[in-house]
Amino acid sequence: GAVVSQHPSRVICKSGTSVKIECRSLDFQATTMFWYRQFPKQSLMLMATSNEGSKATYEQGVEKDKFLINHASLTLSTLTVTSAHPEDSSFYICSARESPATEAFFGQGTRLTVV
Amino acid sequence: AQKVTQAQTEISVVEKEDVTLDCVYETRDTTYYLFWYKQPPSGELVFLIRRNSFDEQNEISGRYSWNFQKSTSSFNFTITASQVVDSAVYFCALSEGDSNYQLIWGAGTKLIIKP
Repeated sequence: GAVVSQHPSRVICKSGTSVKIECRSLDFQATTMFWYRQFPKQSLMLMATSNEGSKATYEQGVEKDKFLINHASLTLSTLTVTSAHPEDSSFYICSARESPATEAFFGQGTRLTVV
Repeated sequence: AQKVTQAQTEISVVEKEDVTLDCVYETRDTTYYLFWYKQPPSGELVFLIRRNSFDEQNEISGRYSWNFQKSTSSFNFTITASQVVDSAVYFCALSEGDSNYQLIWGAGTKLIIKP
């Protein structure tokens, strides 16, 4: 069964509004989760590493103030796209690993469309 | 620097043909993990296999097989008697060390199986 659950799977929002995406690890406690963005026909681009109880680590070029990450518990990380614009439209995916020696499990992904 | 190369951008074969997807990696670590994931059109990433650097045994799972060769830094994936349902994008990924949760991704290979 699913080990990481992400929702919503699809969201359409108006320009200027904010959207929150949730990622939950169901079977284990995840001190670290990852948020990716995927453009059409491209590989996964790591946006940030979400650390439970501390600030997220953002990759170069990713705006911290636009993509707010909160990892308040060992099973939940959220990504909020603030003041969304059409260029933020994309497929966002979260993942978690129980340990560095195990595979990563992925959420179902969220397709965001900003109109 | 660590890197994963999937040189085949797209492969198209007729159903029942065998097909091999190539993956070449670069790392300086002696301990590392290699993965293959499948991404069908729905978008959700499906874990296929994990291999650690100390286990060079080839693996077979049904129609899927993996050939791990440290001498050539390759971790190739073969589908035997391909089926239309195998059509997807396949990603190879690398994780280094015993304390690193992050994955380094290849660009992916789009596999098209024609009926």
